[in-house]
Amino acid sequence: GIQVEQSPPDLILQEGANSTLRCNFSDSVNNLQWFHQNPWGQLINLFYIPSGTKQNGRLSATTVATERYSLLYISSSQTTDSGVYFCAVERLNRDDKIIFGKGTRLHILP
Amino acid sequence: NAGVTQTPKFQVLKTGQSMTLQCAQDMNHEYMSWYRQDPGMGLRLIHYSVGAGITDQGEVPNGYNVSRSTTEDFPLRLLSAAPSQTSVYFCASSKDRVAGELFFGEGSRLTVL
Repeated sequence: GIQVEQSPPDLILQEGANSTLRCNFSDSVNNLQWFHQNPWGQLINLFYIPSGTKQNGRLSATTVATERYSLLYISSSQTTDSGVYFCAVERLNRDDKIIFGKGTRLHILP
Repeated sequence: NAGVTQTPKFQVLKTGQSMTLQCAQDMNHEYMSWYRQDPGMGLRLIHYSVGAGITDQGEVPNGYNVSRSTTEDFPLRLLSAAPSQTSVYFCASSKDRVAGELFFGEGSRLTVL
């Protein structure tokens, strides 16, 4: 099956720093989503981005489907950005199965 | 709007007991699904539904049962709990497709002793 790999697995940054999280996938996909799981366990959908670039405030995401990767950019990090970031893909055969990566754990220090 | 609501948030069971995790959504989404999250892993799909009366298996369906009698509700039943089912369970809904843009509940942490 399709493999979804996220890097880095862990990231510690000072407040105010910028960061780039990467999601690689081993096969063609129909869509890709980025989620933030906050320290209380809540999962928030950040982006639904099968291709191209989207921006929402300090966060932006770019998916290059032909090269099988997506990037999540966080600028001017805040402590509330801490948590785990997951990417999830749907395979191109649209079989209604979403495959999650194992996540990047981000810790923003005050 | 409450979005996706899960109950209970925490539950402890003994091996062999049965229980039901409740999930309700008020967004009028046709598509609902259940995931489990284990330490160091992403989420894995247990069961999903494409509308009232229609359910199907996901990646890890064994030991779980679902039904969808209404658009709003999608309960997950553990028939005979096992320690391997200790996990955090998330219910999700989506508007366009099962694999569409997902909206999650707050999760239910289950411990099986």
